[in-house]
Amino acid sequence: DIKMTQSPSSMYASLGERVTITCKASQDINSYLSWFQQKPGKSPKTLIYRANRLVDGVPSRFSGSGSGQDYSLTISSLEYEDMGIYYCLQYDEFPPWTFGGGTKLEIK
Amino acid sequence: DVQLQESGPGLVKPSQSLSLTCTVTGYSITSDYAWNWIRQFPGNKLEWMGYISYSGSTSYNPSLKSRISITRDTSKNQFFLQLNSVTTEDTATYYCARAGTYYGPDYWGQGTTLTVSS
Repeated sequence: DIKMTQSPSSMYASLGERVTITCKASQDINSYLSWFQQKPGKSPKTLIYRANRLVDGVPSRFSGSGSGQDYSLTISSLEYEDMGIYYCLQYDEFPPWTFGGGTKLEIK
Repeated sequence: DVQLQESGPGLVKPSQSLSLTCTVTGYSITSDYAWNWIRQFPGNKLEWMGYISYSGSTSYNPSLKSRISITRDTSKNQFFLQLNSVTTEDTATYYCARAGTYYGPDYWGQGTTLTVSS
């Protein structure tokens, strides 16, 4: 199985701050990586696919980058509604697809 | 608009089988995509369980070995999860989700919570 190491596991950030979350795969995943946001009591919401493609309707302050084994999600200017837990997922190799452990983002 | 809705018993006893249904509206499960089951354990860890493709082929997480089966009823536009010999470690919120080989998961259901307890 491909292991996805996501960091940090939790973080506090201020409104307006630039936030970056990273995921490192245990092998090259050829940019088959998605990012999700989850709010309490809700299902995950897809933000980005193929490492850097923004899903329609997702605010442009979200962006994804990376290649090979290393990927990141950036929020350019943090807003209050961005609180939640963020996950990465590799869907290059299966079975199984594998998720990162999550990053809990809280407002400072 | 594509919508997925999970349904299930809520509570299952250890050693029994769990059966969950995902009802899809707004898109035919035989047109395209893979139709997935993903679960989230207490503590928030996510696990991909498996899928049934639009053509009816299946793929499962090896960690679930022979306990899992995903089937479908195309006439009702539903797909199903069966997990046998459940233990308390199967307590989780279960999501169904649509996914493409290029796009990954795009649409998710709201989730159904399953507790395994005697």
